[in-house]
Amino acid sequence: GEDVEQSLFLSVREGDSSVINCTYTDSSSTYLYWYKQEPGAGLQLLTYIFSNMDMKQDQRLTVLLNKKDKHLSLRIADTQTGDSAIYFCADQTGANNLFFGTGTRLTVIP
Amino acid sequence: NAGVTQTPKFQVLKTGQSMTLQCAQDMNHEYMSWYRQDPGMGLRLIHYSVGAGITDQGEVPNGYNVSRSTTEDFPLRLLSAAPSQTSVYFCASSPGGGPTYNEQFFGPGTRLTVL
Repeated sequence: GEDVEQSLFLSVREGDSSVINCTYTDSSSTYLYWYKQEPGAGLQLLTYIFSNMDMKQDQRLTVLLNKKDKHLSLRIADTQTGDSAIYFCADQTGANNLFFGTGTRLTVIP
Repeated sequence: NAGVTQTPKFQVLKTGQSMTLQCAQDMNHEYMSWYRQDPGMGLRLIHYSVGAGITDQGEVPNGYNVSRSTTEDFPLRLLSAAPSQTSVYFCASSPGGGPTYNEQFFGPGTRLTVL
């Protein structure tokens, strides 16, 4: 089956940029997503990218997709303490099912 | 709109007990799914439904049953709870299926502990 990998932890200082990385294995991916989970809450969609794009920018968020290397990244500019959360990448392949990575816990140090 | 609602928020069961986790959505979404979230493993798909009367298995279906008698409701049944089913369970819904962009909306989760 599909395998989606992320590093488990990332710490950054407030005001710096954060880069969260994700790799996946299925070359037939159609859409790739980034979700944010705050403590005690469900997942909330942050942004997504279609598989034929290589970059998407949305305010402080920049998504980069390297389809050849099956590598996805999420860059958060000017990281704030409110950005502290777990970030999940997810891969959609054909049907509507999503395969999630393990999640990266981002800690923002004031 | 309430979005996706789940009940209960917390549940403790003894091994062998059965129970139903409730999920409802008021967005008229065709697609609904159940995931479990375990530490260091992300979310794994248990069962999903592409419309009323249609369900299918996901990645980890064993020990769980689902039904979809209405568009709004998608309950998840644990037949005989085991400690390995201790997890946080999320229900999600989205407008449709197929290889198009479909945002999935998640409920707040049910934290289940099996002793």
